[in-house]
Amino acid sequence: DGGITQSPKYLFRKEGQNVTLSCEQNLNHDAMYWYRQDPGQGLRLIYYSQIVNDFQKGDIAEGYSVSREKKESFPLTVTSAQKNPTAFYLCASSPVADLANTGELFFGEGSRLTVL
Amino acid sequence: AQSVAQPEDQVNVAEGNPLTVKCTYSVSGNPYLFWYVQYPNRGLQFLLKYITGDNLVKGSYGFEAEFNKSQTSFHLKKPSALVSDSALYFCAVREDGGYQKVTFGTGTKLQVIP
Repeated sequence: DGGITQSPKYLFRKEGQNVTLSCEQNLNHDAMYWYRQDPGQGLRLIYYSQIVNDFQKGDIAEGYSVSREKKESFPLTVTSAQKNPTAFYLCASSPVADLANTGELFFGEGSRLTVL
Repeated sequence: AQSVAQPEDQVNVAEGNPLTVKCTYSVSGNPYLFWYVQYPNRGLQFLLKYITGDNLVKGSYGFEAEFNKSQTSFHLKKPSALVSDSALYFCAVREDGGYQKVTFGTGTKLQVIP
């Protein structure tokens, strides 16, 4: 089945450790996104990428890094510089918008990171 | 910068009654507007979108939304609420043209009371 796969679903990390969240899609979508969700704050954009080897910072990029070496993959690294990393992380993808496609997002099931 | 506001943290409605979840937006160009639903500990699911054309948009599960350009609003509606509609609803906007940045509101929790 086509879709977006995020792993792991649950992750625990000690303070000071980096952790990488995986996001893979087989929808042949060009654009991919990472959002962070916190209670009462909705979804906040961390990074997004429209094409391979190119990505842009979102609204809360500090303490995070990404890569886009393949069209299907957009991993997110939460570094030790991120002051409050405990959150629910959502990856999404969309076709690049044109007259036929309008860029609605397709989401993965999320990864819940807890820092101990 | 584009933005979305969902003024209600929670909406309570009795089963069978009509429901409305409010959304207003701000963009400098033409907006592409979306509604998504999220069930606990899950990803978001797309409900409907407005791109152009008819201001009343119909989507999944009997939901519809009305685009009002003068009021910069895109309220989500359903004529008769079901208990199974209880979830978290997000409005989102993407600006026509430019990079593919999508901005979400803070979400509204819909509680349908049996």
